[in-house]
Amino acid sequence: EVQLVESGGGLVQPGGSLRLSCVASAFTFSSYWMHWVRQAPGKGLECVSRINGDGGSTTYADSVKGRFTISRDNAKNTLYLQMNSLRAEDTAVYYCVRGGLSGGWNGKAFDIWGQGTMVTVSS
Amino acid sequence: DIQMTQSPSSLSASVGDRVTITCQASQDISNYLNWYQQKPRMAPKLLIYSASNLETGVPSRFSGSGSGTDFTFTISSLQPEDIATYYCQHFHNLPYTFGQGTKLEI
Repeated sequence: EVQLVESGGGLVQPGGSLRLSCVASAFTFSSYWMHWVRQAPGKGLECVSRINGDGGSTTYADSVKGRFTISRDNAKNTLYLQMNSLRAEDTAVYYCVRGGLSGGWNGKAFDIWGQGTMVTVSS
Repeated sequence: DIQMTQSPSSLSASVGDRVTITCQASQDISNYLNWYQQKPRMAPKLLIYSASNLETGVPSRFSGSGSGTDFTFTISSLQPEDIATYYCQHFHNLPYTFGQGTKLEI
């Protein structure tokens, strides 16, 4: 079964750091763009960051630029999100999401979502 | 940034009703639009991709249409298990943005 499983969330003080991980299974991980999408409690969805298949291209939402870093280890089928200088407004469930094919558009993106991991930034 | 205006924000309907949700983009996004269903405490689930394509395993009572700036999501006959919040999302150019959601109640 195609699956994404996140981990690494928790409670952190403002200004602190956290690293999220997402392990992919049952598909060719290196062939896909991967995204982090977050959802603050009771709020809508926000795309945070994305990375292409070989890790050479990354983009960030303005709200996290300079504080968050996305990366991937294709040998381990794992996506990461390093979050530094955390703020209260970063409190959210963070989802790992499969994007489109990295080598060319196949008509589908955001089709597989992990279960999410909760990040709470509070003193 | 492209703004996605989704309406209504909430909707009450009865089992068997035909339900329609609209999503308007602030500029032409061709067919780069998805529709998702999210139930409480669960991850969003892709229902419709590229505006009108039904995701594998999704019941045929769900459908999507539209292109350019105006899109429609329809449930042809509402079932109790369809109670959820529904979101549209464009992926035409960065940043990819979501509609604010439609909470569907019976």
